[in-house]
Amino acid sequence: GQQLNQSPQSMFIQEGEDVSMNCTSSSIFNTWLWYKQDPGEGPVLLIALYKAGELTSNGRLTAQFGITRKDSFLNISASIPSDVGIYFCAGLTNFGNEKLTFGTGTRLTIIP
Amino acid sequence: NAGVMQNPRHLVRRRGQEARLRCSPMKGHSHVYWYRQLPEEGLKFMVYLQKENIIDESGMPKERFSAEFPKEGPSILRIQQVVRGDSAAYFCASSPRRGHEQYFGPGTRLTVT
Repeated sequence: GQQLNQSPQSMFIQEGEDVSMNCTSSSIFNTWLWYKQDPGEGPVLLIALYKAGELTSNGRLTAQFGITRKDSFLNISASIPSDVGIYFCAGLTNFGNEKLTFGTGTRLTIIP
Repeated sequence: NAGVMQNPRHLVRRRGQEARLRCSPMKGHSHVYWYRQLPEEGLKFMVYLQKENIIDESGMPKERFSAEFPKEGPSILRIQQVVRGDSAAYFCASSPRRGHEQYFGPGTRLTVT
Protein backbone atom coordinates (compact mmCIF):
# COMPACT_ATOMS: atom_id res chain seq x y z
CA GLY A 1 0.00 0.00 0.00
CA GLN A 2 0.92 3.67 -0.07
CA GLN A 3 3.39 4.90 2.48
CA LEU A 4 4.36 8.36 3.59
CA ASN A 5 7.83 8.87 5.01
CA GLN A 6 8.17 11.81 7.32
CA SER A 7 11.45 13.34 8.44
CA PRO A 8 12.89 14.03 10.79
CA GLN A 9 11.33 11.60 13.26
CA SER A 10 12.04 13.97 16.11
CA MET A 11 13.41 17.44 16.62
CA PHE A 12 14.83 19.17 19.67
CA ILE A 13 14.98 22.93 19.27
CA GLN A 14 15.14 26.07 21.34
CA GLU A 15 12.27 28.49 21.60
CA GLY A 16 12.40 31.04 18.81
CA GLU A 17 14.05 28.74 16.27
CA ASP A 18 12.50 27.91 12.92
CA VAL A 19 11.43 24.34 12.16
CA SER A 20 11.29 22.44 8.88
CA MET A 21 9.88 18.99 8.27
CA ASN A 22 8.91 17.09 5.16
CA CYS A 23 6.91 14.21 3.89
CA THR A 24 7.64 12.06 0.84
CA SER A 25 5.64 9.42 -0.93
CA SER A 26 6.25 6.72 -3.50
CA SER A 27 2.98 7.63 -5.21
CA ILE A 28 1.00 10.73 -6.14
CA PHE A 29 -1.47 12.53 -3.89
CA ASN A 30 -3.91 15.24 -4.97
CA THR A 31 -4.42 16.72 -1.52
CA TRP A 32 -1.91 17.16 1.28
CA LEU A 33 -2.94 17.91 4.84
CA TRP A 34 -0.85 18.74 7.88
CA TYR A 35 -2.10 17.92 11.38
CA LYS A 36 -0.79 18.45 14.90
CA GLN A 37 -1.57 16.00 17.67
CA ASP A 38 -1.16 16.67 21.38
CA PRO A 39 -0.95 13.78 23.88
CA GLY A 40 -4.32 12.22 24.52
CA GLU A 41 -6.06 14.28 21.84
CA GLY A 42 -7.13 13.92 18.24
CA PRO A 43 -5.22 15.42 15.30
CA VAL A 44 -5.99 19.09 14.65
CA LEU A 45 -5.91 20.30 11.06
CA LEU A 46 -3.27 22.97 10.46
CA ILE A 47 -3.07 23.45 6.70
CA ALA A 48 -4.70 21.93 3.60
CA LEU A 49 -3.05 21.97 0.15
CA TYR A 50 -4.94 21.21 -3.04
CA LYS A 51 -2.71 22.17 -5.99
CA ALA A 52 0.79 21.11 -6.99
CA GLY A 53 3.22 23.92 -6.27
CA GLU A 54 0.82 25.62 -3.87
CA LEU A 55 2.35 27.52 -0.94
CA THR A 56 -0.06 28.22 1.92
CA SER A 57 0.42 30.01 5.23
CA ASN A 58 -1.49 29.89 8.50
CA GLY A 59 0.09 32.33 10.96
CA ARG A 60 3.63 31.13 11.66
CA LEU A 61 3.07 27.96 9.66
CA THR A 62 3.83 27.63 5.96
CA ALA A 63 3.31 24.49 3.90
CA GLN A 64 4.05 23.63 0.30
CA PHE A 65 2.61 21.04 -2.06
CA GLY A 66 5.51 19.61 -4.06
CA ILE A 67 5.49 19.96 -7.85
CA THR A 68 5.82 16.20 -8.34
CA ARG A 69 2.75 15.64 -6.08
CA LYS A 70 4.87 13.17 -4.13
CA ASP A 71 6.04 15.45 -1.34
CA SER A 72 5.09 18.26 0.98
CA PHE A 73 6.90 20.51 3.42
CA LEU A 74 5.91 22.26 6.63
CA ASN A 75 7.80 25.15 8.17
CA ILE A 76 7.18 26.75 11.55
CA SER A 77 8.79 30.10 12.20
CA ALA A 78 9.82 31.47 15.60
CA SER A 79 8.71 28.42 17.57
CA ILE A 80 6.91 28.86 20.89
CA PRO A 81 6.25 26.36 23.72
CA SER A 82 2.75 25.49 22.50
CA ASP A 83 4.22 24.20 19.23
CA VAL A 84 5.34 21.07 21.11
CA GLY A 85 3.58 17.97 19.84
CA ILE A 86 3.56 15.47 17.00
CA TYR A 87 3.07 16.71 13.46
CA PHE A 88 1.58 14.40 10.85
CA CYS A 89 1.31 14.80 7.14
CA ALA A 90 -1.56 13.05 5.39
CA GLY A 91 -2.33 12.51 1.73
CA LEU A 92 -5.56 12.00 -0.16
CA THR A 93 -5.73 10.65 -3.71
CA ASN A 94 -9.32 11.71 -4.47
CA PHE A 95 -9.67 9.06 -7.17
CA GLY A 96 -12.80 7.65 -5.57
CA ASN A 97 -10.59 6.92 -2.60
CA GLU A 98 -11.34 9.02 0.44
CA LYS A 99 -9.01 7.43 2.95
CA LEU A 100 -6.22 9.56 4.36
CA THR A 101 -2.77 8.00 4.34
CA PHE A 102 -0.80 9.30 7.31
CA GLY A 103 2.91 9.85 7.68
CA THR A 104 4.94 8.46 10.53
CA GLY A 105 4.99 11.76 12.42
CA THR A 106 7.58 14.29 13.55
CA ARG A 107 7.83 14.81 17.31
CA LEU A 108 8.77 18.40 18.17
CA THR A 109 10.32 19.16 21.56
CA ILE A 110 11.36 22.61 22.70
CA ILE A 111 14.36 22.77 24.96
CA PRO A 112 14.07 25.45 27.64
CA ASN B 1 -19.93 25.31 16.23
CA ALA B 2 -19.25 22.01 17.99
CA GLY B 3 -16.53 19.82 16.57
CA VAL B 4 -16.56 16.07 16.11
CA MET B 5 -17.74 14.39 19.30
CA GLN B 6 -16.67 10.94 20.39
CA ASN B 7 -17.67 8.91 23.42
CA PRO B 8 -16.61 7.39 25.58
CA ARG B 9 -13.14 8.94 25.76
CA HIS B 10 -11.82 5.90 27.58
CA LEU B 11 -13.19 2.37 27.49
CA VAL B 12 -11.93 -0.69 29.35
CA ARG B 13 -13.14 -4.11 28.27
CA ARG B 14 -12.19 -7.65 29.24
CA ARG B 15 -11.23 -10.10 26.53
CA GLY B 16 -14.33 -11.49 24.85
CA GLN B 17 -16.58 -8.50 25.61
CA GLU B 18 -18.02 -6.10 23.08
CA ALA B 19 -16.87 -2.51 22.59
CA ARG B 20 -19.13 0.20 21.12
CA LEU B 21 -17.59 3.49 20.10
CA ARG B 22 -19.74 6.45 19.11
CA CYS B 23 -19.07 9.39 16.86
CA SER B 24 -21.18 12.46 16.13
CA PRO B 25 -19.85 14.37 13.12
CA MET B 26 -19.65 18.14 12.85
CA LYS B 27 -22.92 19.84 12.00
CA GLY B 28 -23.56 19.67 8.28
CA HIS B 29 -21.06 16.86 7.68
CA SER B 30 -22.44 13.67 6.18
CA HIS B 31 -19.15 11.84 5.60
CA VAL B 32 -17.62 9.90 8.52
CA TYR B 33 -14.31 8.07 8.70
CA TRP B 34 -12.83 5.81 11.40
CA TYR B 35 -9.10 5.45 12.01
CA ARG B 36 -7.03 3.44 14.48
CA GLN B 37 -3.80 4.58 16.08
CA LEU B 38 -1.31 2.43 17.93
CA PRO B 39 1.20 4.10 20.30
CA GLU B 40 3.97 6.00 18.51
CA GLU B 41 2.37 5.40 15.10
CA GLY B 42 0.33 7.35 12.60
CA LEU B 43 -3.39 6.81 12.09
CA LYS B 44 -4.54 3.93 9.90
CA PHE B 45 -7.78 4.11 7.92
CA MET B 46 -10.51 1.63 8.81
CA VAL B 47 -13.83 2.58 7.21
CA TYR B 48 -15.62 5.40 5.38
CA LEU B 49 -19.37 5.88 5.70
CA GLN B 50 -22.06 8.21 4.49
CA LYS B 51 -25.54 8.28 5.96
CA GLU B 52 -26.85 4.68 5.95
CA ASN B 53 -24.09 3.49 3.61
CA ILE B 54 -20.65 1.95 3.98
CA ILE B 55 -18.58 3.38 1.14
CA ASP B 56 -15.15 1.86 1.84
CA GLU B 57 -14.34 -0.69 4.54
CA SER B 58 -11.04 -1.84 3.07
CA GLY B 59 -9.10 -1.02 6.25
CA MET B 60 -11.39 -2.82 8.65
CA PRO B 61 -10.73 -6.41 9.77
CA LYS B 62 -13.26 -8.77 8.21
CA GLU B 63 -14.17 -10.41 11.48
CA ARG B 64 -15.43 -8.93 14.74
CA PHE B 65 -15.46 -5.33 13.47
CA SER B 66 -18.48 -3.53 12.05
CA ALA B 67 -19.53 0.09 11.53
CA GLU B 68 -22.74 1.91 10.84
CA PHE B 69 -23.95 5.46 10.32
CA PRO B 70 -27.74 5.42 10.62
CA LYS B 71 -30.11 8.03 9.28
CA GLU B 72 -30.57 9.35 12.80
CA GLY B 73 -27.95 9.31 15.53
CA PRO B 74 -24.21 8.88 15.73
CA SER B 75 -21.93 6.59 13.80
CA ILE B 76 -21.05 3.43 15.73
CA LEU B 77 -17.88 1.34 15.50
CA ARG B 78 -18.51 -2.03 17.08
CA ILE B 79 -15.87 -4.56 18.05
CA GLN B 80 -17.12 -7.96 19.13
CA GLN B 81 -15.17 -10.40 21.29
CA VAL B 82 -12.33 -7.98 21.87
CA VAL B 83 -8.75 -9.23 22.15
CA ARG B 84 -5.69 -7.53 23.63
CA GLY B 85 -4.50 -6.55 20.16
CA ASP B 86 -7.59 -4.33 19.78
CA SER B 87 -6.20 -1.96 22.42
CA ALA B 88 -5.60 1.32 20.62
CA ALA B 89 -6.93 4.83 20.16
CA TYR B 90 -9.85 4.98 17.73
CA PHE B 91 -10.50 8.28 16.00
CA CYS B 92 -13.48 9.44 14.04
CA ALA B 93 -13.28 12.19 11.43
CA SER B 94 -15.94 13.97 9.39
CA SER B 95 -16.04 16.09 6.27
CA PRO B 96 -18.78 18.03 4.45
CA ARG B 97 -18.10 16.42 1.08
CA ARG B 98 -15.84 13.99 -0.75
CA GLY B 99 -12.27 15.10 -1.31
CA HIS B 100 -12.48 17.70 1.40
CA GLU B 101 -10.30 17.97 4.48
CA GLN B 102 -11.25 15.74 7.41
CA TYR B 103 -11.75 17.00 10.96
CA PHE B 104 -11.01 14.66 13.83
CA GLY B 105 -12.63 14.00 17.17
CA PRO B 106 -10.73 13.54 20.45
CA GLY B 107 -10.69 9.76 20.13
CA THR B 108 -11.70 6.78 22.24
CA ARG B 109 -8.90 4.95 23.99
CA LEU B 110 -9.79 1.28 24.23
CA THR B 111 -7.94 -0.91 26.69
CA VAL B 112 -8.55 -4.64 26.65
CA THR B 113 -7.55 -6.42 29.85
